[in-house]
Amino acid sequence: DIQMTQSPSSLSASVGDRVTITCQASQDINNYLNWYQQNPGKAPKLLISDASNVETGVPSRFSGSGSGTYFTFTISSLQPEDIATYYCQQYDNLPITFGQGTRLEIK
Amino acid sequence: QVQLVQSGAEVKKPGASVKISCKASGYTFNDYFFHWVRQAPGQGLEWMGWFNPKRGSTNYAQKFQGRVTMTRDTSITTAYMELNRLTSDDTAVYYCARDRGDAVVGWHFDFWGQGTLVTVSS
Repeated sequence: DIQMTQSPSSLSASVGDRVTITCQASQDINNYLNWYQQNPGKAPKLLISDASNVETGVPSRFSGSGSGTYFTFTISSLQPEDIATYYCQQYDNLPITFGQGTRLEIK
Repeated sequence: QVQLVQSGAEVKKPGASVKISCKASGYTFNDYFFHWVRQAPGQGLEWMGWFNPKRGSTNYAQKFQGRVTMTRDTSITTAYMELNRLTSDDTAVYYCARDRGDAVVGWHFDFWGQGTLVTVSS
């Protein structure tokens, strides 16, 4: 199975900060990577597909980049409603696997 | 609007089975694959497999093969996931999710059910 390693596991930042989360795959997954946001007690929400495509309706402060084994997810200016756990997901090989998650908190 | 509504929480004893439903509305049921994903308490997301409602075909994660069955009832636009031989390690919230791919598996889960908590305890 492809291992997806997210960093950091948790992050505390201030409103307005630029926040970056990384996701490293244990092997080349091309750009077959999605990012999800999960609020407590809620289902995940797809934010970014194919490493860098921002989903319709998702604020432009969210972005993604990368290919191969290294990917980044960025919030350009953190807002209070962005408090959530974020997961990367690879779909290059079965089984689909997710990163362990990054919990984002407001400082 | 697209909605996936899952059945309610379940409490099961070890060795039992659980069957969760996922009622779809707001789109053509047969046109989009389903995935099932689970999340143990305080843990990350784990993919269990996909299901094609048009053909009834499946692809289960190896970890669950032999223990999971995904089915549907097209007359009521509902997908099901049954997991057998439950252990405490199966305690989790189980989600159904729609795949955005049009008649193919696209691996982008664009709509999710609200989740069903399954607790396995003696």
